[in-house]
Amino acid sequence: AQKITQTQPGMFVQEKEAVTLDCTYDTSDQSYGLFWYKQPSSGEMIFLIYQGSYDEQNATEGRYSLNFQKARKSANLVISASQLGDSAMYFCAMREGVSDYGNNRLAFGKGNQVVVIP
Amino acid sequence: EAQVTQNPRYLITVTGKKLTVTCSQNMNHEYMSWYRQDPGLGLRQIYYSMNVEVTDKGDVPEGYKVSRKEKRNFPLILESPSPNQTSLYFCASSLNGPYGYTFGSGTRLTVV
Repeated sequence: AQKITQTQPGMFVQEKEAVTLDCTYDTSDQSYGLFWYKQPSSGEMIFLIYQGSYDEQNATEGRYSLNFQKARKSANLVISASQLGDSAMYFCAMREGVSDYGNNRLAFGKGNQVVVIP
Repeated sequence: EAQVTQNPRYLITVTGKKLTVTCSQNMNHEYMSWYRQDPGLGLRQIYYSMNVEVTDKGDVPEGYKVSRKEKRNFPLILESPSPNQTSLYFCASSLNGPYGYTFGSGTRLTVV
C-alpha cells in the first residue's frame, strides 16, 4: 500500500503568492517523521522541513511551514511569498521509527511540480 | 561540513562496461541507501545498508551490487550496465530511526 500520497497535478503559482502542497500518509506507527524535499531542475534533493509525530506545534523554517493534522494523517507544505527560485518538484516523505531492525526506509510520494510565474 | 559525497556527477558509458559510483558520508550514519529516480516512477530503492557488512536488497536490485566495508563508504557497482539502467542515482545516509536522509548530489548515468 502506498504510504505517501501526493495527488495534485502540476501547479502554476504567481510570484509572491502562497502555495499549499498536499500530502497524506498512511502508518500505524506512533513514532514517525514527516519530511519535505525540494528538487530543482538541477536534480539535487534539498531538505526543507521536518515534523515529528509527537510534535504539537507545526514546523516552520523560514518561508516554509508544515500544516500537520495528525488525525487526518496529512502534512501539507505551505510556501509563503513564492519566489522564482521555488520552481521545482516537491516531495513529501515519511519514515517510521519502528526499530533498528529491518528496512525502515524513507518512503516518498510521487512529487508535486510547482512553477512560479512572474 | 556534514555531507554525502557522491561521484561522478555525470557519467556516460557503454553497455557492458563495469562501473562504480562512489558514495561517502562524514556523519557517522549507520544507514545508507541507493535510489534511482526515473520519470513517472519516482524514487525507487536499489539497496540499503543498516551498518558495516550489513546490506540488503531494496525494490529494484537487479543489475546492481553494493558493499559496506567501512561505515562511511557505500559504493554502487554496475557489473554489466545496460541501457535500462540509464537514470538519476542518489546515495543517501541517515541515523536509524524516524530521521530524514542526507542526500548526495546525484549521478546522472547514461548507458548507450
